[in-house]
Amino acid sequence: EPEVTQTPSHQVTQMGQEVILRCVPISNHLYFYWYRQILGQKVEFLVSFYNNEISEKSEIFDDQFSVERPDGSNFTLKIRSTKLEDSAMYFCASRMIQETQYFGPGTRLLVL
Amino acid sequence: GEDVEQSLFLSVREGDSSVINCTYTDSSSTYLYWYKQEPGAGLQLLTYIFSNMDMKQDQRLTVLLNKKDKHLSLRIADTQTGDSAIYFCAEIARDDKIIFGKGTRLHILP
Repeated sequence: EPEVTQTPSHQVTQMGQEVILRCVPISNHLYFYWYRQILGQKVEFLVSFYNNEISEKSEIFDDQFSVERPDGSNFTLKIRSTKLEDSAMYFCASRMIQETQYFGPGTRLLVL
Repeated sequence: GEDVEQSLFLSVREGDSSVINCTYTDSSSTYLYWYKQEPGAGLQLLTYIFSNMDMKQDQRLTVLLNKKDKHLSLRIADTQTGDSAIYFCAEIARDDKIIFGKGTRLHILP
């Protein structure tokens, strides 16, 4: 069964460094999403992406964040200058038209 | 704004039924979901229900939806130790984002 995959599974970085989280959505999906879950808290929506542009973004998704679909298969989330409070589990999701979103296994980001 | 509320903890004896309850605010949600998250793992879509349905059954899982009261429940029959996890109730908002509850931690007693 097709799955959303994410790499790396864990990443440790220093405050102020740039990180890129990678996702490979399910191959025929058209809509892509990033969510995050700070330890012990709710899963929160960050951004949705369709037709090579951002459809919606939350207040969390400020200028430090960007998303890109650099080729036909990858979907990336870049955090330009990480802060301690960016430490979280980041989930990618994708879907087809009129279908539910399928989530990847997540990348656990730790900012020191 | 949209919000999803659920109780934080539930303890159930192995073999009994577990019922996890949830309330939501967005009456226009077309889908309502239950996700399962095991320790250190990702989000597993357990089941979902269309907003025009009252009930959905899938093996040991039964989802009940009361649209009038905006109440969703998940019943797990014959609860097993492998069911120990956090269960997230979620709804899909108008702008296509999924709104999650805080999660109910299900603890199984021997």
